[in-house]
Amino acid sequence: QKEVEQNSGPLSVPEGAIASLNCTYSDRGSQSFFWYRQYSGKSPELIMSIYSNGDKEDGRFTAQLNKASQYVSLLIRDSQPSDSATYLCAATDFGNEKLTFGTGTRLTIIP
Amino acid sequence: DAGVIQSPRHEVTEMGQEVTLRCKPISGHNSLFWYRQTMMRGLELLIYFNNNVPIDDSGMPEDRFSAKMPNASFSTLKIQPSEPRDSAVYFCASSFRGSYNEQFFGPGTRLTVL
Repeated sequence: QKEVEQNSGPLSVPEGAIASLNCTYSDRGSQSFFWYRQYSGKSPELIMSIYSNGDKEDGRFTAQLNKASQYVSLLIRDSQPSDSATYLCAATDFGNEKLTFGTGTRLTIIP
Repeated sequence: DAGVIQSPRHEVTEMGQEVTLRCKPISGHNSLFWYRQTMMRGLELLIYFNNNVPIDDSGMPEDRFSAKMPNASFSTLKIQPSEPRDSAVYFCASSFRGSYNEQFFGPGTRLTVL
């Protein structure tokens, strides 16, 4: 059974600080990893994809992947109240289109 | 570009009625996914298609659920007969197989079965 685990939170971070969201996965064959942001009552929105070990930066977002430790993280710099949402981590293995989703971490940015 | 389009956005029906949810994927995408999201179970994959062919329907809860994709730009998810436990938000997502399989979600259909 492939699993993706996240701390459900809630995670509260002061405005302007760095928010750190973590995710672990059980399947060593997992190759592709995704972070989705979901506002309350809305659909998941893809914000980051990462496929190689190391860091990938996009604006205020940095995804980090460590395949040896089976660990993925998302850092949000200069957190804004608009970043308050649930963040879903997802993984898939090579050649497989099915995503395994974590249960999500609820992030609240405190003004 | 238009994203994934779903209709209706909200559906309220009575137990035993047939419900049909509709999805139009992003133009050029060749894979389509139907998900269900509830507080208790989170986001669950029900079925997905590639090039209009069902590839994996292992997440379909039971025979009351069926899905079709008659062409590249349209898919339906049907529940017949509906039950209160089917109340959830149903999302459709699409991707282009081969491009790292990034999935993009539609706005969802909130289904309430009374």
